[in-house]
Amino acid sequence: QQQVKQSPQSLIVQKGGISIINCAYENTAFDYFPWYQQFPGKGPALLIAIRPDVSEKKEGRFTISFNKSAKQFSLHIMDSQPGDSATYFCAASRDKNSGGYQKVTFGIGTKLQVIP
Amino acid sequence: DTGVSQDPRHKITKRGQNVTFRCDPISEHNRLYWYRQTLGQGPEFLTYFQNEAQLEKSRLLSDRFSAERPKGSFSTLEIQRTEQGDSAMYLCASSLAHLTGEVTDTQYFGPGTRLTVL
Repeated sequence: QQQVKQSPQSLIVQKGGISIINCAYENTAFDYFPWYQQFPGKGPALLIAIRPDVSEKKEGRFTISFNKSAKQFSLHIMDSQPGDSATYFCAASRDKNSGGYQKVTFGIGTKLQVIP
Repeated sequence: DTGVSQDPRHKITKRGQNVTFRCDPISEHNRLYWYRQTLGQGPEFLTYFQNEAQLEKSRLLSDRFSAERPKGSFSTLEIQRTEQGDSAMYLCASSLAHLTGEVTDTQYFGPGTRLTVL
């Protein structure tokens, strides 16, 4: 059962355009939603994260929009650059639970290509 | 470099052989995670350590897999009698949990070990 659904699986955007990646989750116990960026041959790196008590978080050209009632969140990359070409993973976890740990559940990933 | 390191970066082995991977987390991090990532998929949780204690294992971790973190620092992941289906990238991550139980929410990943089973 895929707990975090991500789309599209691939995305081509022209330089300067807006890249939009969407995710939806099922488990209402999730309360932390990070986005990871992964370049070929590298491990995922945390890009930006949001908690459900806010509807939007912006860091530079990267913005997360969060809709708690719809259980959806999205990543917007403004002024996309060729250096942004990578695979992006949305993820979800429970910040605190009875076990005291957090297991990150990842989406399937979106391969972004920004063309000049 | 004070990030998470993994060794080896690549491993090619024949079916039926045993392999062992090592992960060195960020030095002050007390939590360590192992994930498996297959081509075109997101990482999947395998197991987690709080200091030296292994607190959860995924059902993905069959009895051929074993992980240790003997002194609460580095960790090893061993796969016995490897199968072609074990071919994947094995990722290690670490994070810092405070005494209150709160976690910084940031898992820092290593570069991974790519395993190819022939």
